[in-house]
Amino acid sequence: SQQGEEDPQALSIQEGENATMNCSYKTSINNLQWYRQNSGRGLVHLILIRSNEREKHSGRLRVTLDTSKKSSSLLITASRAADTASYFCATARDDKIIFGKGTRLHILP
Amino acid sequence: EAGVVQSPRYKIIEKKQPVAFWCNPISGHNTLYWYRQNLGQGPELLIRYENEEAVDDSQLPKDRFSAERLKGVDSTLKIQPAELGDSAVYLCASSLAPGQDRRNEAFFGQGTRLTVV
Repeated sequence: SQQGEEDPQALSIQEGENATMNCSYKTSINNLQWYRQNSGRGLVHLILIRSNEREKHSGRLRVTLDTSKKSSSLLITASRAADTASYFCATARDDKIIFGKGTRLHILP
Repeated sequence: EAGVVQSPRYKIIEKKQPVAFWCNPISGHNTLYWYRQNLGQGPELLIRYENEEAVDDSQLPKDRFSAERLKGVDSTLKIQPAELGDSAVYLCASSLAPGQDRRNEAFFGQGTRLTVV
């Protein structure tokens, strides 16, 4: 079963623009994580935000978490061609990590 | 430091045949996960180990799937017999026990792409 649900399912933007992906979930969590997956490859962990945090930054990534709305967003600033990938949110509770269906991001040259 | 290693990378088998996947997690990681990922979907958890104990196998189709993690290190996932619908990528991941700060990001292997014909 999958808890997280990303929105939009697919996103195409011009290189240099910002990309925003959203994630909604259903149950309480210990933390929420975002992962990237390039075509045919394994998942790579990007950033983790704990349930008592509201915002986190890492390089060009900014993650927000609103536990009252059970939602999170991932912002990628100044997008690059290499950012083309699928992005998944994953909720973690009691060491169980459950993934959403992902957002497919395509950066146009 | 080596990451999570999985083998084989690709496997093509006929339906009703058995198949096994192997995973070597990152050294020192207590938690090991097996996920299945269908095309265009997110990974779905099959089973989670804490050391050698399977603590969550609620999503594992136990009639044909089995897994083991001997000595709390390497793990194998087996399907017997395989069905056409089992075609997917099987991902193994490992993580440290979360600890007091509740950090438990998972590190993934490259996966095994299974095709059942």
